Amino acid sequence: DSGVTQTPKHLITATGQRVTLRCSPRSGDLSVYWYQQSLDQGLQFLIQYYNGEERAKGNILERFSAQQFPDLHSELNLSSLELGDSALYFCAREETQYFGPGTRLLVL
Amino acid sequence: QQQVKQSPQSLIVQKGGISIINCAYENTAFDYFPWYQQFPGKGPALLIAIRPDVSEKKEGRFTISFNKSAKQFSLHIMDSQPGDSATYFCAAGNSTSGTYKYIFGTGTRLKVLA
Repeated sequence: DSGVTQTPKHLITATGQRVTLRCSPRSGDLSVYWYQQSLDQGLQFLIQYYNGEERAKGNILERFSAQQFPDLHSELNLSSLELGDSALYFCAREETQYFGPGTRLLVL
Repeated sequence: QQQVKQSPQSLIVQKGGISIINCAYENTAFDYFPWYQQFPGKGPALLIAIRPDVSEKKEGRFTISFNKSAKQFSLHIMDSQPGDSATYFCAAGNSTSGTYKYIFGTGTRLKVLA
């Protein structure tokens, strides 16, 4: 058990749409990391939040944004979706030691 | 300079054999090198990790060998089992502003034949 819950498991949407992915780390975990895994780009770090504040940024597009709420769950917002955004999106906790099961996004 | 090169892309090993996956990096600022195992439909799981002050770390059947001067590290899976069939990722990380950021290798798909 990674101690990370992600919803939804699967998401199918159309180009141009906006979606929100949710991550709930184990109670008490202050950090959450978001990653994108695609066939052509591999596993890439997107962004990290720590106790509600953005801590580090990776290869996150301007169309993407994230936030962490007072209860420490986090949401990754993807807007103006393109076909190339189809990927697995993971969140992780504890310095990326534990990954959640991921959300598989398919943009048609 | 930020790349981590992983090879081979895929690997087939007989049960009981040794699986070896290699990674190379360029940025000498990296100071933490984890390996992850990922099964289909699951998130990556941390398998074993090493820091550059040691040349080898062993945990059960899994060993990391680290060559700082060559900027290479490898994962050895001894007595490989069919249950080890998965995709393996190496990563290299360094800490900035109190948090680690990682660059991942492209993955090696391992299949262990029964």
